[in-house]
Amino acid sequence: EDQVTQSPEALRLQEGESSSLNCSYTVSGLRGLFWYRQDPGKGPEFLFTLYSAGEEKEKERLKATLTKKESFLHITAPKPEDSATYLCAVQTNTPLVFGKGTRLSVIA
Amino acid sequence: GAVVSQHPSWVICKSGTSVKIECRSLDFQATTMFWYRQFPKQSLMLMATSNEGSKATYEQGVEKDKFLINHASLTLSTLTVTSAHPEDSSFYICSAGGLAGVGEQFFGPGTRLTVL
Repeated sequence: EDQVTQSPEALRLQEGESSSLNCSYTVSGLRGLFWYRQDPGKGPEFLFTLYSAGEEKEKERLKATLTKKESFLHITAPKPEDSATYLCAVQTNTPLVFGKGTRLSVIA
Repeated sequence: GAVVSQHPSWVICKSGTSVKIECRSLDFQATTMFWYRQFPKQSLMLMATSNEGSKATYEQGVEKDKFLINHASLTLSTLTVTSAHPEDSSFYICSAGGLAGVGEQFFGPGTRLTVL
């Protein structure tokens, strides 16, 4: 059974304090790994797609990386507006399987 | 990225009534759409895969007679919650994108359903 585990469940950072969120997965035949941002009461917003180990994608203060067993979402010098829940999802031969997310709070 | 809309954004109804939620892909044609529900502080739970012109595929444990899905066109899928009860209160989100559902999904803004 495909499984996705995200850690930590919650993370509290001071503004400017860089950190990383982890997404570990156990799947058969990874077709893609996706990162989303979700604000309270809203649908997930697409951030990145990663397809193969070693791949990296960047967008503003966010950088996503992928290995054969896990993905990291690195946040550099975060700002309060980066506060949200970050969701990781994997796709094999079935629809997306989501992790439970990491709730990030960035304090000014 | 692709734009997906949902209507209504929130709805309050009485127990026993039916509620219809629309999901539209605004700038692309989606042969496959997905319906999720999300409880507070929980992740998204896939309910069903909606296929244009054919029957939806429901996940295990989801009652297909209670959650009716219709995907009548390449830009519109609807979810009807029939005979709603308070335990059906949740956040319902649709998504679309990718070729035959493979690849990144783009999500609608969600519909908050409250059943009194």
